[in-house]
Amino acid sequence: EAEVAQSPRYKITEKSQAVAFWCDPISGHATLYWYRQILGQGPELLVQFQDESVVDDSQLPKDRFSAERLKGVDSTLKIQPAELGDSAMYLCASSLTGTGPYEQYFGPGTRLTVT
Amino acid sequence: DAKTTQPPSMDCAEGRAANLPCNHSTISGNEYVYWYRQIHSQGPQYIIHGLKNNETNEMASLIITEDRKSSTLILPHATLRDTAVYYCIVRSMEYGNKLVFGAGTILRVKS
Repeated sequence: EAEVAQSPRYKITEKSQAVAFWCDPISGHATLYWYRQILGQGPELLVQFQDESVVDDSQLPKDRFSAERLKGVDSTLKIQPAELGDSAMYLCASSLTGTGPYEQYFGPGTRLTVT
Repeated sequence: DAKTTQPPSMDCAEGRAANLPCNHSTISGNEYVYWYRQIHSQGPQYIIHGLKNNETNEMASLIITEDRKSSTLILPHATLRDTAVYYCIVRSMEYGNKLVFGAGTILRVKS
């Protein structure tokens, strides 16, 4: 069964450093999502792509976070500089595109610890 | 998107049916009810979704009340591996509509 791939699975970084996460969606899924999940809470959408275009980045802290999906396939989420409050699980998901009730498939996530 | 209300936690005996309730009293006509679960340290996993009718798949059954203001997810024979956080989400079918997760219900299956 096809899966969403993410790397790294774990990342420890010092505050003020830069960090990047990578996601490879399920083949054929044009919609890609990045979520952040703080411990004890549900995931929160950071950014949504339709192919290479950003559809929704209303919750993305744009002063330090950036996301790209240059060829409309895999995607990178970057934080620069990292802050202590960025410690969380970063989840990537993908889905088919359209008005149908398509489910989102999630990757295993990247757990970020900022020290 | 309509807001959902779920109990914070529930316990279930292994082998028994687990019935997880969800209230969504402000749901509108074009909004689906979705259920996802998240096992510790993993990404959320899709379980089932429905609009008006009851739905069943290999994982679970979804019972939606006639007025659509509440629903119940049923795991017919819970196992220890079903211990997870279960999220009930109401989602419209606007193009590109996102999932808005609440806190969910922690289901503990006990032997």
